[in-house]
Amino acid sequence: QQPVQSPQAVILREGEDAVINCSSSKALYSVHWYRQKHGEAPVFLMILLKGGEQKGHEKISASFNEKKQQSSLYLTASQLSYSGTYFCGTDRTGNQFYFGTGTSLTVIP
Amino acid sequence: DAMVIQNPRYQVTQFGKPVTLSCSQTLNHNVMYWYQQKSSQAPKLLFHYYDKDFNNEADTPDNFQSRRPNTSFCFLDIRSPGLGDAAMYLCATRKTSAYEQYFGPGTRLTVT
Repeated sequence: QQPVQSPQAVILREGEDAVINCSSSKALYSVHWYRQKHGEAPVFLMILLKGGEQKGHEKISASFNEKKQQSSLYLTASQLSYSGTYFCGTDRTGNQFYFGTGTSLTVIP
Repeated sequence: DAMVIQNPRYQVTQFGKPVTLSCSQTLNHNVMYWYQQKSSQAPKLLFHYYDKDFNNEADTPDNFQSRRPNTSFCFLDIRSPGLGDAAMYLCATRKTSAYEQYFGPGTRLTVT
């Protein structure tokens, strides 16, 4: 049931861009994105509710292809503060929620 | 500030010795979640509450139980902790009409 993310890990230099992908074998009705810094709790970034929907948050945006059961998170002009592990997630009926496998992002000077 | 609080932040218990982790919230959210997160893994849902309605994930071990005596408090009881139960335990809340989950700082459980 857990969505699968790729890549598992990525290292960027400040200012570079990155794309994180999330795909599910089951139908996705919504996709949530969270970021978790080392030793901290996950923090909500955004949710996408409709197929084709794109949302933005500072220089972080995301798209959702409901038909392909995929979502992508776009980080542009990365900053050191973007380092952390990014999780997609999806909810199922009855308030259940499942995180994706996670992508570790490291931004270096 | 309204928030989700977990106590203790660090808990050390012995193999087989029962332990209780607590979570409290001042957000008045109906939905509360307990997740287990092992090193380098994603948080894994153990159970959740919608108000007092309890929902157990099918693969949550019987060793794990939970109580929610009121809207503000939720407890995770591990009856006989094994070495494999060492993990970060995260509590989260959500308002029914919204999607964002608010997480507590977590309790790191060590089993010796």
